[in-house]
Amino acid sequence: GAVVSQHPSWVICKSGTSVKIECRSLDFQATTMFWYRQFPKQSLMLMATSNEGSKATYEQGVEKDKFLINHASLTLSTLTVTSAHPEDSSFYICSARVTSGPYEQYFGPGTRLTVT
Amino acid sequence: TQLLEQSPQFLSIQEGENLTVYCNSSSVFSSLQWYRQEPGEGPVLLVTVVTGGEVKKLKRLTFQFGDARKDSSLHITAAQPGDTGLYLCAGHVTGTASKLTFGTGTRLQVTL
Repeated sequence: GAVVSQHPSWVICKSGTSVKIECRSLDFQATTMFWYRQFPKQSLMLMATSNEGSKATYEQGVEKDKFLINHASLTLSTLTVTSAHPEDSSFYICSARVTSGPYEQYFGPGTRLTVT
Repeated sequence: TQLLEQSPQFLSIQEGENLTVYCNSSSVFSSLQWYRQEPGEGPVLLVTVVTGGEVKKLKRLTFQFGDARKDSSLHITAAQPGDTGLYLCAGHVTGTASKLTFGTGTRLQVTL
């Protein structure tokens, strides 16, 4: 149980275009999902908390107009990188939190974004 | 300032050796998790500890939560090449149930 999927697993886009990444909880409902960014050989950095039916909460320093998050259902959250630039190239990982117990998070396999 | 410091940052050992990874903080955590991440993949949850002093075992891995719930350790006995990966501790600071704070990470390489 507690499987989270991401799509696509990798994407290459041109500078100035927008890219949408999907995060789905496959076998459980997640009122809260999280989006992380990870640079090579570094730990995960939380970008934003996505709550179903409400606006996302962004971490300090993360541009909400650049990284648009939508959590329209209990099993789907999307991250759209708008007007992408090469510095947005990174590994983006989502997670979904189970609603009971010690708030364990289960992670998706990640999406490798390369902006050329 | 990093809330959760892991040590060592990098560890290269031979198959069969034992090792310990430490995760330290000045903050109190209501729960703490350990993950393992392989290149190009998302982190995989290994264990969750919630009680101060708690010890959990997962085959050759032993996890301990400090009595004051400010630190944790991961001990691997007789490491194998399949243990290679990035080990991350992460926890919920008491009073901030939703956000998971990640440690700095420990990269383990086990060679034959």
